[in-house]
Amino acid sequence: EPEVTQTPSHQVTQMGQEVILRCVPISNHLYFYWYRQILGQKVEFLVSFYNNEISEKSEIFDDQFSVERPDGSNFTLKIRSTKLEDSAMYFCASLAQTITDTQYFGPGTRLTVL
Amino acid sequence: GDSVTQMEGPVTLSEEAFLTINCTYTATGYPSLFWYVQYPGEGLQLLLKATKADDKGSNKGFEATYRKETTSFHLEKGSVQVSDSAVYFCALTPPGDKLIFGTGTRLQVFP
Repeated sequence: EPEVTQTPSHQVTQMGQEVILRCVPISNHLYFYWYRQILGQKVEFLVSFYNNEISEKSEIFDDQFSVERPDGSNFTLKIRSTKLEDSAMYFCASLAQTITDTQYFGPGTRLTVL
Repeated sequence: GDSVTQMEGPVTLSEEAFLTINCTYTATGYPSLFWYVQYPGEGLQLLLKATKADDKGSNKGFEATYRKETTSFHLEKGSVQVSDSAVYFCALTPPGDKLIFGTGTRLQVFP
């Protein structure tokens, strides 16, 4: 069964450093998402991406964040200058088309900012 | 705005007990409703979904019915197992839009 994959599974970085989290969505999917989950809290929407542009972003997704689909398979989340409060589990999700309604999630990348 | 409210956890049960995790929602329009499960150390997995009123989603012995009149989507299972121990998230979305999650309910099942 096709699945969403994410790398790395765990990233440790120093405050102020740039990180890039990578996702490979399911191949025929058209909509892509990033969510995050701070430890012990609920899953929060960050950004959605369709047709090579951001379709919606939350207030969390400030100028330090960016997303890109550099080729036909990868979908990346970049945090330009990490802060301690960016430590969280980051989930990528993809969705085939609007009428199916089901987003499929990757296993997540745990980001630890020291 | 749209939102999801779940019962507080943890829910602690003995094996073979009956499970109910309450979920209510607020939404404009006609959202789809979901239950996702997160096992320890893992990501989010879709457990079941319902896309319109009175639909019942079911999977692995879990069920939930989309109740528009009470704006609810309560998760039930007749006989839980230790392996069901996880965090359960109720969520909604308009078609093709972002998922809005509840706070999650931790279920602990003891032998």
